Amino acid sequence: NAGVTQTPKFRVLKTGQSMTLLCAQDMNHEYMYWYRQDPGMGLRLIHYSVGEGTTAKGEVPDGYNVSRLKKQNFLLGLESAAPSQTSVYFCASSYLTGQGGYEQYFGPGTRLTVT
Amino acid sequence: GQQLNQSPQSMFIQEGEDVSMNCTSSSIFNTWLWYKQDPGEGPVLLIALYKAGELTSNGRLTAQFGITRKDSFLNISASIPSDVGIYFCAGPGGFISNFGNEKLTFGTGTRLTIIP
Repeated sequence: NAGVTQTPKFRVLKTGQSMTLLCAQDMNHEYMYWYRQDPGMGLRLIHYSVGEGTTAKGEVPDGYNVSRLKKQNFLLGLESAAPSQTSVYFCASSYLTGQGGYEQYFGPGTRLTVT
Repeated sequence: GQQLNQSPQSMFIQEGEDVSMNCTSSSIFNTWLWYKQDPGEGPVLLIALYKAGELTSNGRLTAQFGITRKDSFLNISASIPSDVGIYFCAGPGGFISNFGNEKLTFGTGTRLTIIP
């Protein structure tokens, strides 16, 4: 199993450009998430999905859109990038365990710089 | 949004020392998760706890689910160089009104450095 994979690993954008980050998981997990990690801020949830065809807003959704057309993929889009979106982006997936909790598994991250 | 309070924020130790860190919340949690993040990598799940008072080990790592359900502890015994990284606690739901148990709130992290 590859687990959770993310592409690309690095990207530099100019202000106003758009891009899509791709997340894929091969664990058949129902739930998928996009986080951003900034120095001193920890991990903050951008959007998440509880199943194929569904998406919902997290803590910091503004400026981002997501889609989950297939269960194994979760796309994060930036329509018009801003310098404030310079960050490291992590995708995660999870499932409901037999003990009634959710364990999230993370991808390796995408480092995005917006100039 | 609010986050879980982790302490200490950073630790500088010598190889072979034991390490203790903790995480506290103002809310009761029914699950505690501990993650480790190496530089340039994503967080990796170390230990999951599901019951108050539970003590679970993963090699040299031991984590405990506090009896009050508002705290959790992580201990590392006989530290080695590969233990360097940032350790995060996480719990379901949290302090934002629409956060259900399928979402996690993360602690601010404890950065572990080993002094040669």
